[in-house]
Amino acid sequence: QVQLVESGGGVVQPGGSLRLSCAASGFTFSSCGMHWVRQAPGKGLEWMAFIPFDGTNKYYADSVKGRFTISRDTSKNTLYLQMNSLRTEDTAIYYCAKDLHGHYSFDIWGQGTMATVSS
Amino acid sequence: QSALSQPRSVSGSPGQSVTISCTGTSSDVGGYNSVSWYQQHPGKAPKLMIYDVSKRPSGVPDRFSGSKSGNTASLTISGLQAEDETDYYCCSYAGSYTWVFGGGTKLTVL
Repeated sequence: QVQLVESGGGVVQPGGSLRLSCAASGFTFSSCGMHWVRQAPGKGLEWMAFIPFDGTNKYYADSVKGRFTISRDTSKNTLYLQMNSLRTEDTAIYYCAKDLHGHYSFDIWGQGTMATVSS
Repeated sequence: QSALSQPRSVSGSPGQSVTISCTGTSSDVGGYNSVSWYQQHPGKAPKLMIYDVSKRPSGVPDRFSGSKSGNTASLTISGLQAEDETDYYCCSYAGSYTWVFGGGTKLTVL
């Protein structure tokens, strides 16, 4: 079945780095744009980053531009989020989501992975 | 990239209808017919309920409907059921391949 499974979350100190992964299955990953969306504890959803199906361009929210990098490996059906210079306010559940092509929405979501930035 | 404005909470009795509003600007909600709505139960991933302002994905009950007027989009849930009690988020395309979410609305079924 169509599935997204995130991994790579954990606890890191401020200023540190984490790399999140999102394994896709059940659909043609190479044909789909992908997003990262986060949710701080007890807070709402916040869109983070988008990468089109071909990975040629990458787009970011202002809050993470220059610190986070979205990428994809089509041979592994995997999406990544490299997070550098982490701040306490980056503490959140990070979800990957599949882009509903042509409709600017997110139709498939993973279960999320928790990243905690704390000293 | 300011968050869209949603009421913190709404409530209704079983069988009634409720509407959740989502207010943005001409740069997001008002500028594109690309508003979507997500349902999120506690501890679970969000679920797409409405896209393109008013379209329902397969499997979403027709009790859920969406609309838009100017810079404000709305989600209406008719025939309220106990299982509808949870959080709802709107989202709009904001141009240049960026998106913005609302702050979320907690729906209580009385």
